[in-house]
Amino acid sequence: DAKTTQPPSMDCAEGRAANLPCNHSTISGNEYVYWYRQIHSQGPQYIIHGLKNNETNEMASLIITEDRKSSTLILPHATLRDTAVYYCIVRVKTGANNLFFGTGTRLTVIP
Amino acid sequence: NAGVTQTPKFQVLKTGQSMTLQCAQDMNHEYMSWYRQDPGMGLRLIHYSVGAGITDQGEVPNGYNVSRSTTEDFPLRLLSAAPSQTSVYFCASSYTRDFNEQFFGPGTRLTVL
Repeated sequence: DAKTTQPPSMDCAEGRAANLPCNHSTISGNEYVYWYRQIHSQGPQYIIHGLKNNETNEMASLIITEDRKSSTLILPHATLRDTAVYYCIVRVKTGANNLFFGTGTRLTVIP
Repeated sequence: NAGVTQTPKFQVLKTGQSMTLQCAQDMNHEYMSWYRQDPGMGLRLIHYSVGAGITDQGEVPNGYNVSRSTTEDFPLRLLSAAPSQTSVYFCASSYTRDFNEQFFGPGTRLTVL
């Protein structure tokens, strides 16, 4: 699976949009971009995934650049409960396999 | 719905002991998996199951056994615990064959002395 690079930490004011970037310049054509988050001492939580089109669900939006070498996860109205470590991973969408989370971005939402 | 539940939350074992980590889900998901999470190594897949009676090995299966007698339950058995198995263990379930949107349990923190 392709390697991803994320900033180690970010702050965001409560109620504002949180924009979390991810670089995946070596992504292959059949690899999807996934985002998970992990709140301290809890299990990972799936957020969203996409291949090349922008995606939106009830939690977030995913913007993937046209060359697919980077993406941005957007939490439109961050709350204190969104404070967590966010992981961007790329993987082939074919069954069970490892989820290499890397170091992720620690997002702190500030009141 | 309780989602995915795991017991125990914490466990300390001595080398050579055996134990079973319990995992249950009430979402009627066919697909379930066990991961271990170690610092800097992400989530490594131990075993997975695509339905009752069907299990398969993941990336790091040695030292672990699984069974899937019902859709709801997917226990992970440590046969003879070793210090290298000290880790946080997560069970997950999914309703998609590609293990796409996985729902994770709260984890079991295991220490082997």
